[in-house]
Amino acid sequence: QQQVKQSPQSLIVQKGGISIINCAYENTAFDYFPWYQQFPGKGPALLIAIRPDVSEKKEGRFTISFNKSAKQFSLHIMDSQPGDSATYFCAASRPFSGGYNKLIFGAGTRLAVHP
Amino acid sequence: ETGVTQTPRHLVMGMTNKKSLKCEQHLGHNAMYWYKQSAKKPLELMFVYSLEERVENNSVPSRFSPECPNSSHLFLHLHTLQPEDSALYLCASSQDLATEAFFGQGTRLTVV
Repeated sequence: QQQVKQSPQSLIVQKGGISIINCAYENTAFDYFPWYQQFPGKGPALLIAIRPDVSEKKEGRFTISFNKSAKQFSLHIMDSQPGDSATYFCAASRPFSGGYNKLIFGAGTRLAVHP
Repeated sequence: ETGVTQTPRHLVMGMTNKKSLKCEQHLGHNAMYWYKQSAKKPLELMFVYSLEERVENNSVPSRFSPECPNSSHLFLHLHTLQPEDSALYLCASSQDLATEAFFGQGTRLTVV
C-alpha cells in the first residue's frame, strides 16, 4: 500500500519527441504527487507536482496527467531535448500523524534524449 | 552559500571506521531529512527532524545515528557499517514538514 510503482526503468527518446513516464499507487490516502528530476552528481529537484482535485497540470513542456480512478499518474515531456536527459522520480505523499507529509518515491526512470 | 550543502561529497570508509556526514541548509527551513539512494531502488527515507526533534526513524539500523543540533544543521554519524550500506546519502530540508523538499547534492559513500 505504501509503494509507488514507476515505469519504464529506462527510456530513450529522439530529440523533439514525447517522453512519457508512468506511475501507479495503491494508497487512496495519497494527496500530493510530485515529480523530481535528478542530474548526475546532483540531488533530486522538484519539477512539477499535482493534487488529485485536478486531472492535468502543465508547466512549459512538462505535463502531469492524473487518473484518480485508476490510481495512476504520468509525466509527459513534450519536444524532448538532450538537456532533459536525467533520472526522473515520481512520488506520492499523505499526511501522517504528527502533522507532516512523507514522500514515497518510485524507483526512477533514466531518460536519454538523443540528438 | 545557498540551498542545501552536504559534505563530504565522497567518502570511502572501512567497516571498522567512524565517520560523520554533514548537511547545512541556508533556506530558513525548520525540517530536515536523511534519505538513502541505492542503485535501481527508490529513495528511502531514513530520518526526519522537525524543529530539531526527531519525528521519524524508519527502522534504520543503529549503526546510523542522526544528530540535529539546530534547524540549519544535520549530521549522520556512521560506525561499523557494512558494504551494503554503500549508497548516495541525500539530505533535504523543507518548511514546516511541507511536501516540497529541497535536496542537497548528496554524499557518495563507499564501505570497503
